[in-house]
Amino acid sequence: IQLTQSPSSLSASVGDRVTITCRASQDISTYLAWYQQKPGKAPNLLIYTASTLQSGVPSRFSGSGSGTDFTLTISSLQPEDFATYYCQQLDRYPCTFGQGTKLEIK
Amino acid sequence: EVQVLESGGGLVQPGGSLRLSCAASGFTFGNYAMTWVRQAPGKGLEWVSSISGSGDSTHYADSVKGRFIVSRDSFKSTLFLQMNSLRAEDTALYYCAKYSTIYYNGMDVWGQGTTVTVSS
Repeated sequence: IQLTQSPSSLSASVGDRVTITCRASQDISTYLAWYQQKPGKAPNLLIYTASTLQSGVPSRFSGSGSGTDFTLTISSLQPEDFATYYCQQLDRYPCTFGQGTKLEIK
Repeated sequence: EVQVLESGGGLVQPGGSLRLSCAASGFTFGNYAMTWVRQAPGKGLEWVSSISGSGDSTHYADSVKGRFIVSRDSFKSTLFLQMNSLRAEDTALYYCAKYSTIYYNGMDVWGQGTTVTVSS
């Protein structure tokens, strides 16, 4: 299963609302997770089963979608949110990742 | 504190072998599936291999199938990745990660990674 994220990179300002999309090449129901990775750090789980917020993750992060189309939304960007975001499908092996979306400060 | 700590990375020649370890603590190791994910320099995340909590089910990316073997020792709470016939394209930072309570809930605990460099 191929995952295609868009955009590959994005420039935004603090306070902006940002949406990242992830499209699967096959129906994966809601078996999709989102991760945040900051430079030099390990990935951090943000959202699982497409829309469930991982414990400890700020509520400005939200996820939606099912089937083949998914979105990650950050309602009001904070300085610590500038990072790279990856989606991952867990419907079947190999559990592939998207290519990543780098979120940069405008 | 729930954590995993990788070790065993290093420089190896093409065709060589390396064994990575991942020591787990703070949780009942045998209750959770575990996984290896790698990241080549400047690139994205690539899932490599996963193993069930009992160790009786394993899965591999096509890029490593037949060359890598994942295993676990529940008595030592340690995950392993035996890497054989290494290639330059295996050069990456290798992360060990714990699956959440249910595997499709994603990987909720990650180590800091161990670096593997394949070069002559």
